Amino acid sequence: NAGVTQTPKFQVLKTGQSMTLQCAQDMNHEYMSWYRQDPGMGLRLIHYSVGAGITDQGEVPNGYNVSRSTTEDFPLRLLSAAPSQTSVYFCASSYSVAGAVVLTFGAGSRLTVL
Amino acid sequence: SQQGEEDPQALSIQEGENATMNCSYKTSINNLQWYRQNSGRGLVHLILIRSNEREKHSGRLRVTLDTSKKSSSLLITASRAADTASYFCATDRGSYIPTFGRGTSLIVHP
Repeated sequence: NAGVTQTPKFQVLKTGQSMTLQCAQDMNHEYMSWYRQDPGMGLRLIHYSVGAGITDQGEVPNGYNVSRSTTEDFPLRLLSAAPSQTSVYFCASSYSVAGAVVLTFGAGSRLTVL
Repeated sequence: SQQGEEDPQALSIQEGENATMNCSYKTSINNLQWYRQNSGRGLVHLILIRSNEREKHSGRLRVTLDTSKKSSSLLITASRAADTASYFCATDRGSYIPTFGRGTSLIVHP
């Protein structure tokens, strides 16, 4: 199984451009989420989904949109890129084990906004 | 805001030594997990401990949880160079998605 697949691995954007980070999982997990990782900040939750058609905001949602039309896919859209969105983005899918949610992460997408 | 905070931020040891890192959190939790991140990679789940548990083992990993002190520790025994990575704790209060700390960077010198 591929697990969680993120594309692209690297991307350079100019300020104001838009783009979509793709995330797909083949484990039939209900939950999916997007995090950003910045030096010294750990992982911060951007958006998450508890099932197809259901999404909600995390800690740092501004400037990002998500949708969940299928169980497998959870794309993250940057509407108008800003230098502050330069970061490494991780998608994760997860399953519940008796009330605890265990995350499986993708390899990450490194985004640079000039 | 981050719920968990790892301590120390960085740890450097020799191969064969034990490595201990700690996680403190602010509010009551249902579960606490530890994850490892190798350089340039995604995080990998290591171990889960529930709020009604005090200690769990997995191979060379030992995790303790003290809910009265709102803290957890991860012990890696007989460290190897391959253990070099960042380690994160993640807590949840029964929500769908755990909250992560800033991590401890561990370097194990051969």
